[in-house]
Amino acid sequence: EIVLTQSPGTLSLSPGERATLSCRASQSINSKFLAWYQQKPGQAPRLLIYGASRRATGIPDRFSGSGSGTDFTLTLSRLEPEDFAVYYCQQYATSLLTFGGGTKVEI
Amino acid sequence: EVQLVESGGGLVQPGRSLRLSCAASGFTFDDSAMHWVRQAPGKGLEWVAGISWSGDDMGYADSVKGRFTISRDNAKNSLSLQMNSLRAEDTAFYYCARAPVRGYWHYFFDFWGQGALVTVSS
Repeated sequence: EIVLTQSPGTLSLSPGERATLSCRASQSINSKFLAWYQQKPGQAPRLLIYGASRRATGIPDRFSGSGSGTDFTLTLSRLEPEDFAVYYCQQYATSLLTFGGGTKVEI
Repeated sequence: EVQLVESGGGLVQPGRSLRLSCAASGFTFDDSAMHWVRQAPGKGLEWVAGISWSGDDMGYADSVKGRFTISRDNAKNSLSLQMNSLRAEDTAFYYCARAPVRGYWHYFFDFWGQGALVTVSS
């Protein structure tokens, strides 16, 4: 099983600031099979990024993903009020799909 | 518009069974793999099970293997999760999710339902 470790657990920032979220895998994820999701309270998760760096349909370009191997990053270039939420990474390189524990981005 | 609507959640005693259903609309159902993902209240996401477009290939998390069974009916655009021998630790919101892939099932999820709450308690 590939274990995904997200850091930090909580990120306290202000609107307009840049947020950098980390997702580290316990073993190399081939072909960049990594996705990022956003979840707000009381809502289902929403796909942001797949293939480590490809934005999903309708996702603003202030969201960007990067990385390969075991280290991946989600960057929010300028935080908008609606971006304060919990973010999860997920790997789909193996048949045992796993999520990271999440990073909460709070004001 | 893609819609995934879960049903069948509720309160169930430990050791009993429950069946969740997911009604899909707004897309060609048999063009996609489908999954169940759960989230215990206040906790993170946990993948539960996935099934290929044809229903011939599927996979399960170790925590539910042997107790849960995922299935689909492409004629009815529906996905199901049969949950047997339920435990308190199975208490969670269960989300139905679409994986936009036909060739295999382990993928990312581009659409999610709103979730169904399953509570296992005596």
